[in-house]
Amino acid sequence: QKEVEQNSGPLSVPEGAIASLNCTYSDRGSQSFFWYRQYSGKSPELIMFIYSNGDKEDGRFTAQLNKASQYVSLLIRDSQPSDSATYLCAVNTGGFKTIFGAGTRLFVKA
Amino acid sequence: SQTIHQWPATLVQPVGSPLSLECTVEGTSNPNLYWYRQAAGRGLQLLFYSVGIGQISSEVPQNLSASRPQDRQFILSSKKLLLSDSGFYLCAWSVGAGHNEQFFGPGTRLTVL
Repeated sequence: QKEVEQNSGPLSVPEGAIASLNCTYSDRGSQSFFWYRQYSGKSPELIMFIYSNGDKEDGRFTAQLNKASQYVSLLIRDSQPSDSATYLCAVNTGGFKTIFGAGTRLFVKA
Repeated sequence: SQTIHQWPATLVQPVGSPLSLECTVEGTSNPNLYWYRQAAGRGLQLLFYSVGIGQISSEVPQNLSASRPQDRQFILSSKKLLLSDSGFYLCAWSVGAGHNEQFFGPGTRLTVL
């Protein structure tokens, strides 16, 4: 069974620090990797995607992918209280099916 | 720009009652459409997806069904709700058959009593 694993948290970081969120996946054939942010009671919002090994930066967010280790991460620089949310890692193995992790809760302390 | 609508936003239904949730997408043609359910504190479970009008793929056998009567309309139904059907129902869309970036609607929170 294809799986996506995340630490449920909560991960607590002070305002201005770097938050590091991690995700592992089981299917070596996975091709596309996504990070969604979900505020309490709201629907998930796509914030980053990465398809190739290495780093991809977008503003304060950096996604990192290591296919050999089956590992993807999200770094949030200069964390703000408004970044407090659950972050979902999602993996697509090709086609129309995407598998979501259960999410990591992030709490940024002011 | 594309937008996705879901209704109702919240719903409280008794066990054994029928269900109909609707999702519509604007600003794109021939989208791929998805229904997910998210139980409290859990990940998203893919229920159905559709790549075109009248085409439905079912991922989890259960008492739910889906239909796609129009290109940008996706409906989730049940004839008789169970307590275990409670959850947050999310509709999503994507385009093409590439990396499959999915975008979610606002969701429907269903409570079955």
